[in-house]
Amino acid sequence: GDSVTQMEGPVTLSEEAFLTINCTYTATGYPSLFWYVQYPGEGLQLLLKATKADDKGSNKGFEATYRKETTSFHLEKGSVQVSDSAVYFCALSGGGGGSNYKLTFGKGTLLTVNP
Amino acid sequence: DAGVIQSPRHEVTEMGQEVTLRCKPISGHNSLFWYRQTMMRGLELLIYFNNNVPIDDSGMPEDRFSAKMPNASFSTLKIQPSEPRDSAVYFCASSLGPGGYTFGSGTRLTVV
Repeated sequence: GDSVTQMEGPVTLSEEAFLTINCTYTATGYPSLFWYVQYPGEGLQLLLKATKADDKGSNKGFEATYRKETTSFHLEKGSVQVSDSAVYFCALSGGGGGSNYKLTFGKGTLLTVNP
Repeated sequence: DAGVIQSPRHEVTEMGQEVTLRCKPISGHNSLFWYRQTMMRGLELLIYFNNNVPIDDSGMPEDRFSAKMPNASFSTLKIQPSEPRDSAVYFCASSLGPGGYTFGSGTRLTVV
């Protein structure tokens, strides 16, 4: 079945540091890929998405490129802020084709940014 | 739009009691999902509905759990009887197509 593997956390960075959170996936067909962010005490929010190979999703300074050849969707940000501290989830849907909109999540990576 | 609305936000109950969690999806969304989040297991999909019909309930842990969606604007997740290991945050999410979900704020359930 579909699966998502993301780097184990926690990740601790200083403000303005470069961020990379690795994500790889296993799926049949052509899944859509997502990054979600969860701030403390809140639900998950969609951060960015990509629906086909070589697409780049971007939002709030975060970017991720859908790499079919390496089955990866790594999240990057050039300069993190304290307000970026949260748990980040990589996810995929539609790997099996058809109308399968079920999202499969990675385990999440806790990011802490210190001033 | 008010987003996905879940109630209650917090629930504390005694072992053996029935617990009902409620969800109102975004109007017009045709898929609804129930997830459970714990430190040990992360996010687990329990069940999802498409056009009010349960499509996949393979994630429901056991017969103590049941979910219904009587109409397009309301869903419930019931646990009867509840056990301490059911303590978790339960999220409801809705979507229209494969563009990604909108999550509710969750219900934090504690079973003592």
